Amino acid sequence: AQTVTQSQPEMSVQEAETVTLSCTYDTSESDYYLFWYKQPPSRQMILVIRQEAYKQQNATENRFSVNFQKAAKSFSLKISDSQLGDAAMYFCAYLRVQGAQKLVFGQGTRLTINP
Amino acid sequence: DVKVTQSSRYLVKRTGEKVFLECVQDMDHENMFWYRQDPGLGLRLIYFSYDVKMKEKGDIPEGYSVSREKKERFSLILESASTNQTSMYLCASSSTVWNSPLHFGNGTRLTVT
Repeated sequence: AQTVTQSQPEMSVQEAETVTLSCTYDTSESDYYLFWYKQPPSRQMILVIRQEAYKQQNATENRFSVNFQKAAKSFSLKISDSQLGDAAMYFCAYLRVQGAQKLVFGQGTRLTINP
Repeated sequence: DVKVTQSSRYLVKRTGEKVFLECVQDMDHENMFWYRQDPGLGLRLIYFSYDVKMKEKGDIPEGYSVSREKKERFSLILESASTNQTSMYLCASSSTVWNSPLHFGNGTRLTVT
């Protein structure tokens, strides 16, 4: 079974600085998808960014980018120019291509933005 | 915009009660999911459904059942609530297009006393 590990329960960063959230996963499959979701205090889970494993190019969405290292099974999220609205729980998630279409989530990282 | 609505934001129930958590989505999505969120454990899948009257167990189905009589509605049932089922419950839906994102409701925080 696939597992997703986020080893940083909490992180903090100064406003306008850059922060990187770590995620590693364990799988024997070669094709899959990876996601980062954000959960602000409102509890609404929001998709931040996604990466297809067959693509070597790292995904980018405005201030959010990933560092996808397939061989190392690592998928970190970099947030540039951090803003107060970025404060939230961040979850890394894995989706296999074959079989049931269900996400496996990591434990989450709580990100605090210091003004 | 996809909307996933969970009927209750907060719920307090007593041990042994039968509890229904309701979820409705308005985008004609085939897939619907129930997750449980606990601190330090992330989100864990309880049950999911690919179609009306169809259901499959997730990773932690014990103590739960589900019902999907209509495409837009997916209910989670706690047959006899226990204190270890105190948690945040999140419903989600998605289309059948592979890697389409999950759309989540705002969650129901259930407390069993």
